[in-house]
Amino acid sequence: AQKVTQAQTEISVVEKEDVTLDCVYETRDTTYYLFWYKQPPSGELVFLIRRNSFDEQNEISGRYSWNFQKSTSSFNFTITASQVVDSAVYFCALSGNSGYSTLTFGKGTMLLVSP
Amino acid sequence: NAGVTQTPKFRVLKTGQSMTLLCAQDMNHEYMYWYRQDPGMGLRLIHYSVGEGTTAKGEVPDGYNVSRLKKQNFLLGLESAAPSQTSVYFCASSSYGNRGETQYFGPGTRLLVL
Repeated sequence: AQKVTQAQTEISVVEKEDVTLDCVYETRDTTYYLFWYKQPPSGELVFLIRRNSFDEQNEISGRYSWNFQKSTSSFNFTITASQVVDSAVYFCALSGNSGYSTLTFGKGTMLLVSP
Repeated sequence: NAGVTQTPKFRVLKTGQSMTLLCAQDMNHEYMYWYRQDPGMGLRLIHYSVGEGTTAKGEVPDGYNVSRLKKQNFLLGLESAAPSQTSVYFCASSSYGNRGETQYFGPGTRLLVL
């Protein structure tokens, strides 16, 4: 069985602070895929990133960066110099590689960025 | 190119009423999914389809039925709505589903059952 844990229910920061959202996963598959989605107050789900288990390189996209560590089963997401527009619920998700693999979501972390 | 669309955006039902939620995608994706989102629970998979004419149960299928008569459409039905089905429903699609393909989501349908 797959499991994704986002232990931080809610994080509040002030604009320009850096913030890291934690994601810990469990899976028995040797090949698997990790995702982050953003859900702004408007409610839609926006895809941010997909990583496979063979690629442990960290990734940076503008102010966003992701740190994948297989040894600790973690896929953490850092926003540098946060902005008010970053306020949203962020979901980490996991998909395996066996049969018709489905996506397992964490419960989400609500990020509030105040001016 | 609209991506994934959902109809309706919002609906209020009385207990025992039935309704159908429609999901449509124009990306020629094989796989489609229905999720529900409840406060503090994340997204949970209701049913999914791996191709036209096929459906399968997800994590929370009870009280729902689905059909995939056309590749681009995936319908979610509630035969007898209950207050516990008050939720936000999301449809998603992906090109395939067995190699971690990215799922793309519709805007959601907010359902209130009184």
